[in-house]
Amino acid sequence: QVQLVESGGGVVQPGTSLRLSCAASGFTFSSNGFHWVRQAPGKGLEWVALIWYDGSKKNYTESVKGRFTISRDNSKNTLYLQMNSLRVEDTAVYYCVRDQGYCSGGNCYEWFDPWGQGTLVTVSP
Amino acid sequence: DIQMTQSPSSLSASVGDRITITCRASQSISAFLNWYQQKPGKAPKVLIYAASNLQTGVPSRFSGSGSGTDFALTISSLQSEDFATYYCQQSFSIPTTFGQGTRLEMK
Repeated sequence: QVQLVESGGGVVQPGTSLRLSCAASGFTFSSNGFHWVRQAPGKGLEWVALIWYDGSKKNYTESVKGRFTISRDNSKNTLYLQMNSLRVEDTAVYYCVRDQGYCSGGNCYEWFDPWGQGTLVTVSP
Repeated sequence: DIQMTQSPSSLSASVGDRITITCRASQSISAFLNWYQQKPGKAPKVLIYAASNLQTGVPSRFSGSGSGTDFALTISSLQSEDFATYYCQQSFSIPTTFGQGTRLEMK
């Protein structure tokens, strides 16, 4: 079945780095764009980054620009998030999500499905 | 960035009730609006995409409506498994943004 499995979370100190991975299975990985979405403890959902199906375009939320890098390896069916210069406010569960969509009447609609189970990143002094 | 505002932030209801959660965008987003359900300790899952399209496998008691700036998620007859937090999301422009969430609790 379609599945996304994140790994790589943990407890780190401010200023350090961490790399998250997301292993995909059950579908053609190279056909879809992917996102990272995070959720701080007890808070709502925040989009972090996007990468196109072929890796040609990437976008980031303002607060992580210059610190985080999204990438993918289509030969390994894996999505990555390299997080550098981590801050306390980066503490969250990080979800890997697949971009789904369809086009109708000249508009292309997108939504997130499925979501991985999430991996917790805790940045603490 | 487009701001998404949900109301109410929390809601108490009983099994069998009909409830509606609303979502307002800070600018017109046509029908680029999705709804997600999240249960404690679990990842969100999509219920409705493109404002009114029911995701495969989602019960028909869920429905979505609206376009432009005002949207609604309706559950026609609440079941026990529907008590969760609900989020709207605009996919009109990057960055995609979410509402703050509506926590649906059992009365």
